[in-house]
Amino acid sequence: GENVEQHPSTLSVQEGDSAVIKCTYSDSASNYFPWYKQELGKRPQLIIDIRSNVGEKKDQRIAVTLNKTAKHFSLHITETQPEDSAVYFCAASGVYSGGGADGLTFGKGTHLIIQP
Amino acid sequence: DTAVSQTPKYLVTQMGNDKSIKCEQNLGHDTMYWYKQDSKKFLKIMFSYNNKELIINETVPNRFSPKSPDKAHLNLHINSLELGDSAVYFCASSPREKREYPEQYFGPGTRLTVT
Repeated sequence: GENVEQHPSTLSVQEGDSAVIKCTYSDSASNYFPWYKQELGKRPQLIIDIRSNVGEKKDQRIAVTLNKTAKHFSLHITETQPEDSAVYFCAASGVYSGGGADGLTFGKGTHLIIQP
Repeated sequence: DTAVSQTPKYLVTQMGNDKSIKCEQNLGHDTMYWYKQDSKKFLKIMFSYNNKELIINETVPNRFSPKSPDKAHLNLHINSLELGDSAVYFCASSPREKREYPEQYFGPGTRLTVT
């Protein structure tokens, strides 16, 4: 099955600086890579995703890059703000071939701390 | 108009008891999932249901059983609860059959504590 590794486990950055979280996956058939943000006591919230036919995607201060050859993808947050403090999870999902369903395989999470 | 809802939010029970967690989605999605988040925050899929058929059954104890009365509901039944079952359980839904790259939306979670 799929295995997703995520680094670092904890990341502390100064407010206004950039943060980068990296993930690698094992199954070359995976083609969907979402990122979730989870605040303390809350549900995981989808913040951005990327599909295997795209190399980079941006949404305001958040960007995600994908390198299918190397099987890794990264989350970039620029101009970090206190409200960015949370646990971030990367995930991977396989190819959907119809007539079935499969779930997400998650990384172990990165605790992002924004220092004021 | 909550998209994915779960009840109860908190569940405290003793070892050996049987309990259920309910999940409902009003998004018209065709696939629903249960995830377990342990004390280290690791999220792991347990089950998924598509059109009332169990598609994935990860290596979870058979004390756990999902039940889907209809496409909008996927309940989780747990028999003979053990201390190690203490975790937060998240329900999620997705329009898996309608889109090649479907997003998953999570419910608010149920914190289960077994004493």
